[in-house]
Amino acid sequence: SAVISQKPSRDICQRGTSLTIQCQVDSQVTMMFWYRQQPGQSLTLIATANQGSEATYESGFVIDKFPISRPNLTFSTLTVSNMSPEDSSIYLCSVPRAGSETQYFGPGTRLLVL
Amino acid sequence: DQQVKQNSPSLSVQEGRISILNCDYTNSMFDYFLWYKKYPAEGPTFLISISSIKDKNEDGRFTVFLNKSAKHLSLHIVPSQPGDSAVYFCAASAMDTGFQKLVFGTGTRLLVSP
Repeated sequence: SAVISQKPSRDICQRGTSLTIQCQVDSQVTMMFWYRQQPGQSLTLIATANQGSEATYESGFVIDKFPISRPNLTFSTLTVSNMSPEDSSIYLCSVPRAGSETQYFGPGTRLLVL
Repeated sequence: DQQVKQNSPSLSVQEGRISILNCDYTNSMFDYFLWYKKYPAEGPTFLISISSIKDKNEDGRFTVFLNKSAKHLSLHIVPSQPGDSAVYFCAASAMDTGFQKLVFGTGTRLLVSP
């Protein structure tokens, strides 16, 4: 199994600022995923991050708002830009389990925007 | 348009009894269905899955049933234990440009009381 860590675990931010969330995996993986879980809602895929290429964003999510970096096969960052209270969510990264339909998830970053 | 629905936000069960969590979906193209368990301040952890070509999969106390004609699946936990108290997410999976894309429901909070 993959062990995934995220930093920070939680943060309180002011509107208009940006926050960068880090995701570290203990093994090399080709794909990493970023999800958002708004209060009372399901986990929603934001984007897929492949090493060495631009991230692929899902409908409703744009690079200017959620820029992603993937500098190597064990690390990725997601930035939440120009935050508003509507960005208050749990942000999670995940990686696919090899040969499986499942994914391993990080512990999440709980973000509150005031 | 929510493709995966969990209509019960919460469920309370006594220890030793059966817990039944339900999930409905709309997209016939899903090829796997999964259940994840989430404790507070942790990421979701994979519990059990079922292929769309099967109607039952069992793993210890956990059994998932799939009714394709009704586009419905359920997770049975028997006997339920207090440690099973968590939020359970139903997810459906379909191949999307080289990876299994997961679509999640909104979750059901299970409380198992002693």
